[in-house]
Amino acid sequence: QVTLRESGPALVKPTQTLTLTCTFSGFSLNTSGMCLTWIRQPPGKALEWLARIDWDDDKYYSTSLKTRLTISKDTSKNQVVLTMTNMDPVDTATYYCARISLIWFGATHAPMDVWGKGTTVTVSS
Amino acid sequence: EIVLTQSPATLSLSPGERVTLSCGASQSVSSSYLAWYQQKPGLAPRLLIYDASSRATGIPDRFSGSGSGTDFTLTISRLEPEDFAVYYCQQYGSSPYNFGQGTKLEIK
Repeated sequence: QVTLRESGPALVKPTQTLTLTCTFSGFSLNTSGMCLTWIRQPPGKALEWLARIDWDDDKYYSTSLKTRLTISKDTSKNQVVLTMTNMDPVDTATYYCARISLIWFGATHAPMDVWGKGTTVTVSS
Repeated sequence: EIVLTQSPATLSLSPGERVTLSCGASQSVSSSYLAWYQQKPGLAPRLLIYDASSRATGIPDRFSGSGSGTDFTLTISRLEPEDFAVYYCQQYGSSPYNFGQGTKLEIK
């Protein structure tokens, strides 16, 4: 069974750096074709794609946020970490991680098929 | 960067009705790598459709997707009470893998 769980601080102050961890089970990011992505959703607003990391350590970032984001993986711990610098109240959102399995879909591109429940982050002084 | 525009923003319908949601792309979506997700309040999104027209595992056949290039649609043939939710399209053919702004289906 594939599961993902997001964790991190519920409250951060403006200008601080946010560090979020996605801990997953049921698959390995060492396996060719496995990828993990981060998405966020401000209260009452739409989903926003943030970043992706692949089994081979390729990384992709949102155009508007790429200067503030860093994604990394620790395959020994089955974790992916997202850091976002210079946090602002507009970054208040629920942050989700989700799996992309090129293997499952038998393709070079695949959608996000399994999601975590999300973690809520509020940015306020 | 591909921008996705969904229409309409909100639809008010009754159970049993048929509905079509639209998703337009600012440029052609590579190989129809477009997905639809359903999101209910307080929950994570759920994958419904991938590759524009393939249903994900466990998705009822009243959900169907179509389209290619820059124009895509999600059709629900007969609305069930549990289908009232927000629907998002997303392209995964080229980074950044953007979402549309969503269409909310509400009960009339």
